[in-house]
Amino acid sequence: QLVLTQSPSASASLGASVKLTCTLSSGHSSYAIAWHQQQPEKGPRYLMKLNSDGSHSKGDGIPDRFSGSSSGAERYLTISSLQSEDEADYYCQTWGTGNWVFGGGTKLTVL
Amino acid sequence: QLQLQESGPGLVKPSETLSLTCTVSGGSISSSSYYWGWIRQPPGKGLEWIGSIYYSGSTYYNPSLKSRVTISVDTSKNQFSLKLSSVTAADTAVYYCASAMEWLVPYFDYWGQGTLVTVSS
Repeated sequence: QLVLTQSPSASASLGASVKLTCTLSSGHSSYAIAWHQQQPEKGPRYLMKLNSDGSHSKGDGIPDRFSGSSSGAERYLTISSLQSEDEADYYCQTWGTGNWVFGGGTKLTVL
Repeated sequence: QLQLQESGPGLVKPSETLSLTCTVSGGSISSSSYYWGWIRQPPGKGLEWIGSIYYSGSTYYNPSLKSRVTISVDTSKNQFSLKLSSVTAADTAVYYCASAMEWLVPYFDYWGQGTLVTVSS
């Protein structure tokens, strides 16, 4: 079964960097994913699509501070030079055999 | 750039059918290589995919909701719709519509702002 696993929470200081992880279930390590951001009281916003080789393409207007990378079954979202507006929930998303799948989300707190 | 806007009743009674419409602007709903989807988020919880429809008309539903969900497209109005039957309080959520671009995996690239639907008598 295709499952995406994310840590429920993460925190980092203003101006620092943070790396969020999304782990693909066994047998699905080659799958591409997408990352989405949901700021408090707002709808989700597409950040980027991320391939298994680490190549990624960001959505319109997404700052250079956001980048993606991959290693095995892990897909990463790195946010550098953290700003207060980066405090949000981050979801990974993929697709398999006609079903879209979301991870449980990581709540990022900017200290 | 696509824009999506959900509309529909904010309150639905238990056992009735929830009906929502998503109006698409900035592009044609008949565009090839695009899916149109519904996602929901119960209060304080994560995102749950409900179902999607391909530009060709093929539909895909979350297995856990499949028996209650119907998604359709009205190309003349550039809209797509969601019907969820036999609702209960567990269906209370913010409902989002989104477009999904075909790629290695179809990914949601544009989202509506969401609409809260409460199931209550």
